Amino acid sequence: KAGVTQTPRYLIKTRGQQVTLSCSPISGHRSVSWYQQTPGQGLQFLFEYFSETQRNKGNFPGRFSGRQFSNSRSEMNVSTLELGDSALYLCASSIQSGGIQETQYFGPGTRLLVL
Amino acid sequence: GENVEQHPSTLSVQEGDSAVIKCTYSDSASNYFPWYKQELGKGPQLIIDIRSNVGEKKDQRIAVTLNKTAKHFSLHITETQPEDSAVYFCAASIRGFQKLVFGTGTRLLVSP
Repeated sequence: KAGVTQTPRYLIKTRGQQVTLSCSPISGHRSVSWYQQTPGQGLQFLFEYFSETQRNKGNFPGRFSGRQFSNSRSEMNVSTLELGDSALYLCASSIQSGGIQETQYFGPGTRLLVL
Repeated sequence: GENVEQHPSTLSVQEGDSAVIKCTYSDSASNYFPWYKQELGKGPQLIIDIRSNVGEKKDQRIAVTLNKTAKHFSLHITETQPEDSAVYFCAASIRGFQKLVFGTGTRLLVSP
């Protein structure tokens, strides 16, 4: 089975621009979560989507948004980019077939550099 | 809020030695504790996980122990090999929520 894929792998933007990152979960996985990884703050939860609905949200400003499509693929968008948004953005998918906590499998990430 | 503390931040061992990484969580509602290994340029890879109804779990050279009373959980790697060198993260989450709260990571270096 193919793993979680993320595109693009690398991205360079300038302050004030917006960016859209894409994530394709493992086949059959219905939950997609997004995390931001920086040297200073570590791994931080952004949000989680299930059946095209945002179920959980972390403590990030409204500039960070996401969506999920009917095929479970997900995108996240960051508007009005700031220097501090430079990070590795990770997507993780899980099956979510029941009420128990499911294992999350991570993709390779998209490295975003904001100049 | 939820918080996970992880120690040590760096750990250097000789090949064949054991390595232990410890984490403490703050939210008593946490019931799922995965460990991830992250190599340079890659995303975190799950190496082992444990749920709150189990005190210990082992998979070949890797084991995890959980003390719910003390809110501690630990990763044990025996017979370390150079390819074990990476950054290891512990995490915790609450039943029903897919939000993982991560520790700050431990950089493990295994010298031949």
